[in-house]
Amino acid sequence: GQQVMQIPQYQHVQEGEDFTTYCNSSTTLSNIQWYKQRPGGHPVFLIQLVKSGEVKKQKRLTFQFGEAKKNSSLHITATQTTDVGTYFCAVFASGGSYIPTFGRGTSLIVHP
Amino acid sequence: EADIYQTPRYLVIGTGKKITLECSQTMGHDKMYWYQQDPGMELHLIHYSYGVNSTEKGDLSSESTVSRIRTEHFPLTLESARPSHTSQYLCASSENHYGYTFGSGTRLTVV
Repeated sequence: GQQVMQIPQYQHVQEGEDFTTYCNSSTTLSNIQWYKQRPGGHPVFLIQLVKSGEVKKQKRLTFQFGEAKKNSSLHITATQTTDVGTYFCAVFASGGSYIPTFGRGTSLIVHP
Repeated sequence: EADIYQTPRYLVIGTGKKITLECSQTMGHDKMYWYQQDPGMELHLIHYSYGVNSTEKGDLSSESTVSRIRTEHFPLTLESARPSHTSQYLCASSENHYGYTFGSGTRLTVV
């Protein structure tokens, strides 16, 4: 079945440092979504990537879909304390699957 | 401004009890989902529905049932609660699979 790995599991940064989390799939994907979950909260949809090599930006967040559509990354420039939370990728296998597989998430801890 | 509502927010219940977790959405989404999430872990799909009178089992559907009699309502029932059911239960909905909107969740503790 579909396997997805997110690394790292945890990341501590000083406020102002950059942060990157990676999502790797064992199979080719049709698309991938990213979510953010604040401590004690629920996942909130951030973005969806569909095209090979696609890059999307949301203010300090940059999302990238790999050329082979098997991996993706989320990069945050100059982290702020408001960026604290767990970032999940949700992958959709190619071939028409409409049920995503969620990664375990990367927990970002920002030290002021 | 939540468009998807879950009740109760917290629940402590004894082993063997039957419980129903409520989920309602006002967005008119056909697709709704129930996920289970333990602290620090990924989301596991329990059940999903693509419309009224349509329900499917996910990976962790054992010992629970759902119903979809109305578009906006998707309750989850645990027939006999066990301590292993202690977890957070998240309801979500989507339109055309473009991003899921999650409810605030129900934190269930079975003692």
